[in-house]
Amino acid sequence: RKEVEQDPGPFNVPEGATVAFNCTYSNSASQSFFWYRQDCRKEPKLLMSVYSSGNEDGRFTAQLNRASQYISLLIRDSKLSDSATYLCVVTSQSGGYNKLIFGAGTRLAVHP
Amino acid sequence: NAGVTQTPKFQVLKTGQSMTLQCAQDMNHEYMSWYRQDPGMGLRLIHYSVGAGITDQGEVPNGYNVSRSTTEDFPLRLLSAAPSQTSVYFCASRKAGPRGETQYFGPGTRLLVL
Repeated sequence: RKEVEQDPGPFNVPEGATVAFNCTYSNSASQSFFWYRQDCRKEPKLLMSVYSSGNEDGRFTAQLNRASQYISLLIRDSKLSDSATYLCVVTSQSGGYNKLIFGAGTRLAVHP
Repeated sequence: NAGVTQTPKFQVLKTGQSMTLQCAQDMNHEYMSWYRQDPGMGLRLIHYSVGAGITDQGEVPNGYNVSRSTTEDFPLRLLSAAPSQTSVYFCASRKAGPRGETQYFGPGTRLLVL
């Protein structure tokens, strides 16, 4: 079983739609959680951290459910520029070093 | 700041050839890592370093060597290239910290091994 699992998509949505991505992780000891965004043929970039109480950044809302080991990302009022792959990331402690474990990503395509 | 830089952007190798992928960062980050990204697999950690002179293996280290003689540079060496090493390679850096901190990636090196 992969440590971080995501639905690969693609999610094809019209502009203005609300779309939600889910992610599950297997290591109950994971402490930190993130969503990264990766544009086609580019490097990943941090979109937002995910906090236990849930957090919002403009049109983006991230939620964490530690009991179910589940992370979500909600995008409201989708824009064409939101088209990208969204990577779910959790940390895994190894000898004092926090490794970042990446999911394979969920692809989003926003169309006019 | 240039951030994280990688060279080359593209490379074609024949099976058995060796090469070094260069990575440098100018943010004075303690941690540096190498990942490979393959379709459907996500980013997999090859090797990482927590500071100059200190390196360790990640999830998929076989066939690769690293060294960290300075804070800025973290080259990845392919000892004898194999077609299974065809991939996109990303170097990354971040500050040391208990909660992961933001990780910055280089633009990637696309490697094709024939």
